[in-house]
Formats: sequence, structure tokens, C-alpha cells
Amino acid sequence: DAGVIQSPRHEVTEMGQEVTLRCKPISGHDYLFWYRQTMMRGLELLIYFNNNVPIDDSGMPEDRFSAKMPNASFSTLKIQPSEPRDSAVYFCASSFSGGSWNQPQHFGDGTRLSIL
Amino acid sequence: GDSVTQMEGPVTLSEEAFLTINCTYTATGYPSLFWYVQYPGEGLQLLLKATKADDKGSNKGFEATYRKETTSFHLEKGSVQVSDSAVYFCALINTGGGNKLTFGTGTQLKVEL
Repeated sequence: DAGVIQSPRHEVTEMGQEVTLRCKPISGHDYLFWYRQTMMRGLELLIYFNNNVPIDDSGMPEDRFSAKMPNASFSTLKIQPSEPRDSAVYFCASSFSGGSWNQPQHFGDGTRLSIL
Repeated sequence: GDSVTQMEGPVTLSEEAFLTINCTYTATGYPSLFWYVQYPGEGLQLLLKATKADDKGSNKGFEATYRKETTSFHLEKGSVQVSDSAVYFCALINTGGGNKLTFGTGTQLKVEL
């Protein structure tokens, strides 16, 4: 069973460029989460979707960040324009609720983003 | 709101030592509790979970018991190995929380020969 797949694994780009991170959740999962991890701030939830609909984007740092989920098997997180302080590891996770509220999340291996 | 507090790291142990990583939580109602592990360069992996008071989650020699009276979910292992070196996160999901996890700050474990 394939896990959550993120691409790219590493991204290095210059300040001001647009960055697009991609995520393929586990097939059949109905929740998708985007997180950011840094040494200073730890693990932060940015946004999450249920059945492709954004439910809570209160963690998105500012308007430069946007996320979409056009279908059940694909999501993107976009940063435009990027800034050095956006450098972090970005994780995607998915879960299957099965009608319950307490199912565990499954994480991808992350995208390590460096903005120069 | 809900919150999870973990002991500060890093925790450094010799191989075969006993491990305890403390975790306490604040939440209304009856949350479900989780331990996740993150190995270097990887994403978080579910280690174990417990869904109600007095439940014991266990996996790969790790155990944690859901203690409602002390609002705790301490992680233990009887004999750690070098391969257990990782960051461990305690987390909870609460009813009405939209399937969102609330994480602790993580505790780094280093196991030396």
C-alpha cells in the first residue's frame, strides 16, 4: 500500500520565486493536512481539507501561501513570492475518518525547502 | 484550547537503558492520544495510540497508558537500542476537533553504545 507521496523531496530556489509543493494522499483517505516544521516553531498545521474542501486555513502564515485540492488524489501548497523565512520542511498527511473523529494521520516524507 | 506538554530534550541514554518520556495533556472531554516517531530525514510515523482511559497502546517494545486521572500518556520502553534514536511526539485528537492533531513540541532521544 503506497503511503503519502510528496514532491519534490528537496527544493532550493531564490527569494521572490514561486514554489509549488505537491502531495498525493493515500487512496481512500478523506482528510488531508499540510504542516510546516522548523527548529524555531516546531510543527505547525497550516491548512486541512475534508473531501477536497478546505476546512481550516487559520494556520496559513499570510497571503503569499495558498493551497488547493482539485481532486481526492492531489493537493498543492504554493508560495508566491517566496522569502528566506519560508525555509522549512513541509509535510503532507492524510487520514481516513470512516465516520469517526479520532483516526491517526499518515505522513509523507516531506519537502525540504530552502529559499536563498 | 487543547494542549500537549512534553518533557524537554534531548534525552541521552545508553543502549539497553529504560526509557520514559513524559507527556501530559489539557483537553475537555475524552480525547484520543497518540505517540508519533520521526527518524532523521523522514516524516512522522504513528508509534502507538490509546482511545480511552486505562487503555494501553503498545508497539515495537514501546508502551503508553492513558491515565485520565493524571491527564498523562507517558511513553516507556524497557531496553532502548541505538536504532530508537529519533524525535518522539505526543499528540491528541479531541471530539469536535475536525480530526486535527494537537502535537507536543517533541522530545529528541539519543541512544549511545
